[in-house]
Amino acid sequence: QVQLQESGPGLVKPSDTLSLICSVSNDSVSRQNVYWNWVRQAAGKGPQWIGRVSANWDTTYNPSLRRRLSVSLDASKNEISLTLRSVTAADTATYYCARGVTSPYWGQGLSVTVSS
Amino acid sequence: QTVVTQEPSLTVSPGETVTLTCAPTAGAVTPLSYPAWFQQKPGQPPRPLIYEVDKRQSWTPARFSGSILEGTAALTLSGVETEDEAHYFCLLFFSRPRIWVFGGGTHLTVL
Repeated sequence: QVQLQESGPGLVKPSDTLSLICSVSNDSVSRQNVYWNWVRQAAGKGPQWIGRVSANWDTTYNPSLRRRLSVSLDASKNEISLTLRSVTAADTATYYCARGVTSPYWGQGLSVTVSS
Repeated sequence: QTVVTQEPSLTVSPGETVTLTCAPTAGAVTPLSYPAWFQQKPGQPPRPLIYEVDKRQSWTPARFSGSILEGTAALTLSGVETEDEAHYFCLLFFSRPRIWVFGGGTHLTVL
C-alpha cells in the first residue's frame, strides 16, 4: 500500500519561505509516468491544486502561485518537496501531497499557519 | 484565469436521485478533462470518489456514478442515503497549460 506523509513547520512568519516534504513509502518517486502533486485547502474553502512533478522533472504549477513556487523530487530520499516563497496569511491551509491527484494515494495532510 | 463552477448547494430527500454538475467557465468537459469527484465531510480530508469520468475508487458505492452530459461533468447519486450528506468537489484537467482545477464545491444536504 502506497503511503505518503507530509512534514514541515506548522507555523511560518509572513514573508518567509515555506518548505514542506512528502515522504513516500512502498513506491518510488522515480517511477515513470507518475505525477506527484501538492494540494492545499484553507479552512472553510475548497481544495486548490498547487503543482506537480514527475520523475523526468516535468513540472507544472498553478498559475496563481507560479512566481513563488517550486516543486521538486529527491530520488535518493524518495521524497517530494514544496517551496513557497514570500508567504502571507492567504497561504494558511492544510497541505496534502498525492500520487496522482485523482488517485486514492494521498497523505493525511499538514496544517500550516502563516502568522507573526 | 480558469474557473470551474458547481451548484453551491442542493437538497434532496433519502432515496431520491440527484445529479451534481461541474463545468468550466470556458469550453466544454471532454474525456481528456479526466473529470474526477471528491467527497468531503466535516473535519475530514477530501476523499476521492470517481476518476477519469466514471471509474469508481475501490470504496465508492455503486450508487455513485460519473458521466459527461452535454459538455459538463456530472456526478449522479441514485438512491441517496443520509450518510451522503457532504461537500462534493469536482476536478478537471486543462491541457493548456496542463493544470488541474478544482470546482468550488456543492454542499449536498439530505433531509
